[in-house]
Amino acid sequence: QKEVEQNSGPLSVPEGAIASLNCTYSDRGSQSFFWYRQYSGKSPELIMSIYSNGDKEDGRFTAQLNKASQYVSLLIRDSQPSDSATYLCAVLPPGNMLTFGGGTRLMVKP
Amino acid sequence: DTEVTQTPKHLVMGMTNKKSLKCEQHMGHRAMYWYKQKAKKPPELMFVYSYEKLSINESVPSRFSPECPNSSLLNLHLHALQPEDSALYLCASSQDSIIASGTGELFFGEGSRLTVL
Repeated sequence: QKEVEQNSGPLSVPEGAIASLNCTYSDRGSQSFFWYRQYSGKSPELIMSIYSNGDKEDGRFTAQLNKASQYVSLLIRDSQPSDSATYLCAVLPPGNMLTFGGGTRLMVKP
Repeated sequence: DTEVTQTPKHLVMGMTNKKSLKCEQHMGHRAMYWYKQKAKKPPELMFVYSYEKLSINESVPSRFSPECPNSSLLNLHLHALQPEDSALYLCASSQDSIIASGTGELFFGEGSRLTVL
């Protein structure tokens, strides 16, 4: 079983819709969770971090965390073509390095 | 503009060549990292330097040799590489070691795309 799992996609949504990206992790002791965005041919960029159960909102982005279910998600409201990218879920197990999921490719169609 | 600068952006080398990748950051970060990324895969950690000392080597073959001359610079020396080593090599930095700080904010450079013929 992979430590951090994501659906590879592509996830295709129309412009203006809500994109929902999901991630599950195996280390129940993990306390820190992150979403990185990577445009094609570019390097990853941190867009959200979440440490507590519940929702965290930043502009059009909302991260959701449920530690009991070992589940993290990223919602993108009013999706724009410029949001088209690969979204990497990353988890920080205690005393360990950041573990990336395989990434979900998001395509927002005009 | 990224605050982590990597050179060269592209590198083509033969299996007998010796080359180096360079990375520089001026954010005062104390931890620096090398990652390898193949197409459609997530970044794979290779090395971690914390306070200029190698703290993690993820069982990387010896044909990859990291060096941290000072707190701002990180090099990756390449020798006798194989075609399967062709990939995007990403340098990253963080304020402090991620393991110590518990935060996952890595600042990535734009990467060096390596092709081994």
